[in-house]
Amino acid sequence: DAKTTQPTSMDCAEGRAANLPCNHSTISGNEYVYWYRQIHSQGPQYIIHGLKNNETNEMASLIITEDRKSSTLILPHATLRDTAVYYCIVRPILRGAQKLVFGQGTRLTINP
Amino acid sequence: DGGITQSPKYLFRKEGQNVTLSCEQNLNHDAMYWYRQDPGQGLRLIYYSQIVNDFQKGDIAEGYSVSREKKESFPLTVTSAQKNPTAFYLCASILDNADRGTYEQYFGPGTRLTVT
Repeated sequence: DAKTTQPTSMDCAEGRAANLPCNHSTISGNEYVYWYRQIHSQGPQYIIHGLKNNETNEMASLIITEDRKSSTLILPHATLRDTAVYYCIVRPILRGAQKLVFGQGTRLTINP
Repeated sequence: DGGITQSPKYLFRKEGQNVTLSCEQNLNHDAMYWYRQDPGQGLRLIYYSQIVNDFQKGDIAEGYSVSREKKESFPLTVTSAQKNPTAFYLCASILDNADRGTYEQYFGPGTRLTVT
């Protein structure tokens, strides 16, 4: 599996956009980028995923660079409830169960 | 937590005892996973299963066993051979339909196991 690199921690002011970077320089052509988050002592929550085009849903936007070696998760108007650990992972688009390898993620703190 | 249940939420056992953690889903997902999380750490994969009666070892399978007799259920047994079983255990399921471009994944609420 391609590995990802994320900053250990980030801070963001409430109401501002939170931009979380992720490097995945060894990503293969058949691998998607996925983002999850985990609020303390709860199971991780799926946020968004993409292959090469930018994606947006009700939770966030995902910007993937043209060479696909990095991506940015954007929370457009961060709230205190967005404080969590955010995980960026890559996995193949092949059908069937694939290993999901979670690193240590980025601990995002939203400050009032 | 989207139709995945894990029970109990907290579990206490004495060292040397086997213990089975429950994971049930009513989402009709084919793939199910078990992860372990230690304080301040990311998730580590223990076992995963693509279909009924089939499962594969993850990165830290030693000291654990699983079964997948039904699509809805994927119980994890922590055996006495697991050297450091105290941890937060998470179960997940995935529906991944590349043909339809759909992807669903849900994690359960987790079971915090303490072995003394």
